[in-house]
Amino acid sequence: GESVGLHLPTLSVQEGDNSIINCAYSNSASDYFIWYKQESGKGPQFIIDIRSNMDKRQGQRVTVLLNKTVKHLSLQIAATQPGDSAVYFCAETDNTGNQFYFGTGTSLTVIP
Amino acid sequence: GAVVSQHPSWVICKSGTSVKIECRSLDFQATTMFWYRQFPKQSLMLMATSNEGSKATYEQGVEKDKFLINHASLTLSTLTVTSAHPEDSSFYICSAIRDRRNTEAFFGQGTRLTVV
Repeated sequence: GESVGLHLPTLSVQEGDNSIINCAYSNSASDYFIWYKQESGKGPQFIIDIRSNMDKRQGQRVTVLLNKTVKHLSLQIAATQPGDSAVYFCAETDNTGNQFYFGTGTSLTVIP
Repeated sequence: GAVVSQHPSWVICKSGTSVKIECRSLDFQATTMFWYRQFPKQSLMLMATSNEGSKATYEQGVEKDKFLINHASLTLSTLTVTSAHPEDSSFYICSAIRDRRNTEAFFGQGTRLTVV
């Protein structure tokens, strides 16, 4: 579950459309997952979390889906707005909370 | 919500000098703090995990003598970049959790280090 130093994949969506951002994890022991939003020059901000005993969790305009079989996590943003433009990271940890590892991240650009 | 404050926000230093970055949990006691390094357009890379009163656990490839971490209290952890070089220039971010079992991590605003 270690982060990889690759250049960020990008996603461009039209304002008002739905966005789906994906994340894969490798550690089977990971049982707590978080999505963060990071704007330029700032620290990450919590968006939504999900535990491994759940498949889906909804927040305000956001939904996180967890597929433990294929170790895949997704973040869905409904009616994407220009203010949603940022880099989105998933993070994982196991039940010890000893490490928080981040995924590669996705740069989301919303086109007005 | 819980607040984590990081200081300074930006520091420029000469090569060979040491820089200390502070991470404070302002309204909660943090049993564990994490230090990350982030290069432009890349993800956060975990450097070390710091538990109050014990030695930090460093990730593979991170030089513990280069990046000194001290977690002296439940509200303060410091990262000291010793004998800084231009390649140490980066964005350093800390995060803190209240307890060690499945809880949200709160992030500082980050520190931009520029070594000239």
